[in-house]
Amino acid sequence: EIVLTQSPGTLSLSPGERATLSCRASQSVSSYYLAWYQQRPGQAPRLLIYGASSRATGIPDRFSGSGSGTDFTLTISGLEPEDFAVYYCQHYGGSPPVTFGPGTKVDI
Amino acid sequence: EVELVESGGGLVQSGGSLKLSCAASGFTVSTNYMSWVRQAPGKGLEWVSIIYSGGTTFYSDSVKGRFTISRLNSKNTVYLQMTSLRAEDTAIYYCARDRGYDLYAFDIWGRGTLVTVSS
Repeated sequence: EIVLTQSPGTLSLSPGERATLSCRASQSVSSYYLAWYQQRPGQAPRLLIYGASSRATGIPDRFSGSGSGTDFTLTISGLEPEDFAVYYCQHYGGSPPVTFGPGTKVDI
Repeated sequence: EVELVESGGGLVQSGGSLKLSCAASGFTVSTNYMSWVRQAPGKGLEWVSIIYSGGTTFYSDSVKGRFTISRLNSKNTVYLQMTSLRAEDTAIYYCARDRGYDLYAFDIWGRGTLVTVSS
């Protein structure tokens, strides 16, 4: 089973700053199977990034993903007020078919 | 517009049963993979179950043998039958379109339905 670890647990930043979120897999995974989601308070998760670096439909270009092997990064360049949320990474494949990381909260 | 709407949540006693529904619009559930994902209060996301376009189903170990995923093509709806409910099943249950055949991610999510299991 792939275990995902996210760091930091909480990231305290100000609007306009750059956020760098980390997701580490317990073993090497294909970048095809790594995705990132945003969850605002009281809302459902929203797909941001799939295939480690491809933005989903309608996602602003201030969101970018990178990485390979066991280390993946979500970068938000220039935080907007609506970006303060919890971010989850996800691996697809294996058993169980889907695993999520514990999340990183980005707050002010 | 592509949309998923869950319903059927509520308060149930430990050991009881509940059936959740997920009605889709704007796309056809039978030609897609569909998953259920849950989130316990204040906790992270946990994948629960998937039904593939061919009808094959899989479950997380935590619900295997107690939950059953199904779909009714004529209603374009996916279901999650939950039995032998436990306090630890208390969560918001989300239905999601599972793009496990190309994006390997969940691209459409419903708003969720809350299930509370009282002990």
